[in-house]
Amino acid sequence: QQQVKQSPQSLIVQKGGISIINCAYENTAFDYFPWYQQFPGKGPALLIAIRPDVSEKKEGRFTISFNKSAKQFSLHIMDSQPGDSATYFCAASSNSGGYQKVTFGTGTKLQVIP
Amino acid sequence: SAVISQKPSRDICQRGTSLTIQCQVDSQVTMMFWYRQQPGQSLTLIATANQGSEATYESGFVIDKFPISRPNLTFSTLTVSNMSPEDSSIYLCSVGGGTQYFGPGTRLTVL
Repeated sequence: QQQVKQSPQSLIVQKGGISIINCAYENTAFDYFPWYQQFPGKGPALLIAIRPDVSEKKEGRFTISFNKSAKQFSLHIMDSQPGDSATYFCAASSNSGGYQKVTFGTGTKLQVIP
Repeated sequence: SAVISQKPSRDICQRGTSLTIQCQVDSQVTMMFWYRQQPGQSLTLIATANQGSEATYESGFVIDKFPISRPNLTFSTLTVSNMSPEDSSIYLCSVGGGTQYFGPGTRLTVL
């Protein structure tokens, strides 16, 4: 059972536009919501993360919006650049037997065209 | 953060053989994680490796197929045994808590 649903599967945005990726979760025990960026041939790298007691977090051009009641969160990339072209994964984690177990979304392949 | 290296970076193997993937971390960590990422897919946790104890496997993964060693606090290996083409994936090790730090991955192709 997929516990973190992510959409869209792929996204094409023009340079300078806004990229928006959405995720939804079911497990209310999740207490940490990171986003990862993965370039071809590389491992995923943390981009930005949020805890459920915060509704929004911004770091540079990247913003997470979090709606606890709807169990949804989204990543907004402002002024998208060709260098942002990558696969993005949302994730959610909860404590499981003394460690944080992370569940990943299905991924969104973003292409930013000049 | 942690710096993680993996060996090999990629390999092409024949059906029925085994491959051992190494993961080295630049600092001592209690937990190490192994993930599989099938082509164009998300990351699926294979097992959690705690130094000094048996690895804990997720549903759908068994020790006979994916034996794991964790000899010290900076190193782990994952073996993919009796491989079939369905095992063709990227295998990633990671460390951390809610924030996971990943190695570069091992791209495995089974013919």
